[in-house]
Amino acid sequence: DSGVTQTPKHLITATGQRVTLRCSPRSGDLSVYWYQQSLDQGLQFLIQYYNGEERAKGNILERFSAQQFPDLHSELNLSSLELGDSALYFCASSVGRNEQFFGPGTRLTVL
Amino acid sequence: SQELEQSPQSLIVQEGKNLTINCTSSKTLYGLYWYKQKYGEGLIFLMMLQKGGEEKSHEKITAKLDEKKQQSSLHITASQPSHAGTYLCGAANDYKLSFGAGTTVTVRA
Repeated sequence: DSGVTQTPKHLITATGQRVTLRCSPRSGDLSVYWYQQSLDQGLQFLIQYYNGEERAKGNILERFSAQQFPDLHSELNLSSLELGDSALYFCASSVGRNEQFFGPGTRLTVL
Repeated sequence: SQELEQSPQSLIVQEGKNLTINCTSSKTLYGLYWYKQKYGEGLIFLMMLQKGGEEKSHEKITAKLDEKKQQSSLHITASQPSHAGTYLCGAANDYKLSFGAGTTVTVRA
């Protein structure tokens, strides 16, 4: 158990819908990262927050957004969902630039 | 952007045998991470290497970062069923990690 929690574990929704994925980092970790893992693209970095502020952006679509709250939990919002958004979404946390600890992931299926 | 190539893509090893996975970077590596992932599950942190020539071991897994800091290898000694899974190398680039495509290891009894 990495100490990073993600909810929900599974999510099934329809195209065009909007969903919110939630992540709670390890105690004491100020950085939260979001990744998308799909069979064809592999593990791709989406976005990072540090203590509530956006720190780095990767291959995140404009339909996706994220935020980190004062209690350091983070949410990833995915809107206007398409079939191709079906993937595993991981959250990771770290202390500064040290190793990242990953949560168990949320499996999103868009039908 | 930094690209990581892992080889082999997959391998099957007899239980008790050794195996090596390689990770080659298109740019100098300033932080190289090894993770293990079981299918459909989260990534488990194995080791982090930062200095050229650095070598770290944990139980039967050893990772090295070469002197020129553009390649790393992960070596498993006397493989066991618990070593089965996908191994991913990740390179630190500012605040994000770029990952290789992974090497899937199957351990045959």
